[in-house]
Amino acid sequence: EIVLRQSPGTLFLSVGERATLSCRASQTVPNNFLAWYQQKPGQAPTLLIYGASTRATAIADRFSGSGSGTDFTLTITRLEPEDFAVYYCQQYGSSQLTFGGGSKVEIK
Amino acid sequence: QVQLEEWGPGLVKPSETLSLTCSVSGGSASSGNYFWSWIRQPPGKGLEWIAYVYETGSTSYNASLRSRATISLDTSKNQLSLKLTSVTAADTAVYFCAREGAHGAFEIWGQGTKVSVSS
Repeated sequence: EIVLRQSPGTLFLSVGERATLSCRASQTVPNNFLAWYQQKPGQAPTLLIYGASTRATAIADRFSGSGSGTDFTLTITRLEPEDFAVYYCQQYGSSQLTFGGGSKVEIK
Repeated sequence: QVQLEEWGPGLVKPSETLSLTCSVSGGSASSGNYFWSWIRQPPGKGLEWIAYVYETGSTSYNASLRSRATISLDTSKNQLSLKLTSVTAADTAVYFCAREGAHGAFEIWGQGTKVSVSS
């Protein structure tokens, strides 16, 4: 099983600031099949990024994904009020799908 | 536009079997060669993938739940199902069904159904 570790656990930032979230895998994610999701309270997650760096349909270009192998990053260039949420990474390169523990972006 | 809606019992007693259904609307569960999954989220915690089923019937399970979980896809009813046996309080969670997109990530999610395990 590929274990995904996300850091930081919580990030305190202001509107307009840049957020950098990390996702580290215990082994290489095959084909860089790594996705990022945003989840707001009481809602299902929303897909932001797939294939490590491709934005999903209708996702704002302030969201970007990068990385390969075992180290991946989600960057939000200028935080908007609606971006304060929990973010999860997930790998789908192996038949045992796994999620990271999540990173919460909170208003400072 | 494919939409998913889960439903379940809400409350299940310890040691019983939990049965959940996910209804697919706006499209067919038998078109496109997609994986259909169940994912759960305990209160205040992160996401845990439970299992997926391919429309051919092939399946994969989270190793920690394999002995208790059964996932199935009924293409005639356009429904995805999950059975989880011998439930305990640790199975209390919101359960989501989800479908992958052409790229493999979970593109479509249901709104989730809350399940509590309590006597």
